[in-house]
Order: sequence, then structure tokens, then C-alpha cells
Amino acid sequence: DAMVIQNPRYQVTQFGKPVTLSCSQTLNHNVMYWYQQKSSQAPKLLFHYYDKDFNNEADTPDNFQSRRPNTSFCFLDIRSPGLGDAAMYLCATSIFGTEQETQYFGPGTRLLVL
Amino acid sequence: AQKVTQAQTEISVVEKEDVTLDCVYETRDTTYYLFWYKQPPSGELVFLIRRNSFDEQNEISGRYSWNFQKSTSSFNFTITASQVVDSAVYFCALSEAGSYIPTFGRGTSLIVHP
Repeated sequence: DAMVIQNPRYQVTQFGKPVTLSCSQTLNHNVMYWYQQKSSQAPKLLFHYYDKDFNNEADTPDNFQSRRPNTSFCFLDIRSPGLGDAAMYLCATSIFGTEQETQYFGPGTRLLVL
Repeated sequence: AQKVTQAQTEISVVEKEDVTLDCVYETRDTTYYLFWYKQPPSGELVFLIRRNSFDEQNEISGRYSWNFQKSTSSFNFTITASQVVDSAVYFCALSEAGSYIPTFGRGTSLIVHP
């Protein structure tokens, strides 16, 4: 019973060609997060939504955008992918966004930029 | 600022050995939460445990146990009688009161050989 679903699991794109990654959840959680994880590194938060409120991390490049059309879905748009954007992208959710909550992660989308 | 250090980059053991993964944290808050997540090769981070700063009781769950010591700011994770299926990257994370964005350590890659 998948609770946080990410599609596709693997995405290959060309340098500079826009790409969209999707995340959906069946948990009805208020908060959705996008993380970037490069090899042998910790997940790095890009941004998150608390309901419809968008929160961008200060060091997230402008090349990364996000949309959350409804509670269940959240998209990550990379407008002009560079070679350095090749990574695993993880979507996560939490109920209310409090410090005591766990995050529920999807399986990730591995992005390859050619 | 909060910080999580997992000094062990990679640990290699033979099946049935016990193994301890170290986690040392820094925070100025008196109220905080500590987490451990497992990331198998499939990519999804799986929640293992949450501990709040006021609960120093050690916890055991099957072959897993956690030792929380505020005096040394450590929250170590021990796997008893390791199995090949335990092979994964393990992340320790910290959330301070009022911030629902956890800080992750860099992770420890555990390889269990048959």
C-alpha cells in the first residue's frame, strides 16, 4: 500500500531540457517536501508546502520550481537541468509539520542529465 | 545551529555480527527530537525511531536498539546479529522545537556480508 508515490522512478533528460517530477500521497498530510540527494550525501531540502503555503530554502536555485495543485499532488519542475542536477529527488510528507513528527518518504526519482 | 554528525562513513560486517552506528548531535535547545531512518538500495527512507529529548530510556525493537545519552549528545543505534537485509544507508536526524525541518547527518553505509 504505497502512501507516497513518485513518478517516474527513473528520469533521463537532456542538458537544458525542462523536466517535471511528480509526487502524490494518499495520507492526506498537510506538509509535502522535496529533497535532493546526491551520492553519499544526506538529503538536502529544496522546498516544502504547508498546505498551499510555499516555503523555499534560501539556497535552492531558481532553476527549481514547485507546484502543489491540491493536497495529494506536488510537482518539482527543473527548468533547465544542468549536469550538476543529476541526483535522487525525494518527496516526503508529514501530518502537520511539527518537530516531533516523522516524515514519510517516497521511493525517489533518480534523475540523469545527459 | 543544529548539527548531526555521523562519523562512520561506511561499516562492513559479516552476517550475525553486532554493529553500532554512531550519531552525535549539537543543539542549543532543551527540547528536540532525534530520528533514525534507513535507506535501502531502493532509495526510500524508512522511519525507524523517534526519541524526544526528555526521554532518555533506551529502546529495543527486535534486533534493533538505541542508546540515547544526553551527557554525550549521542543517539547510537545497534543492530544485533546483523543480516544481509540490514545493508543500507542509515541516517540520524534532529529537529529542534519550533522547526519541523530536520537536519540530517551524512549517513552511514552499512554493508552486511553473508
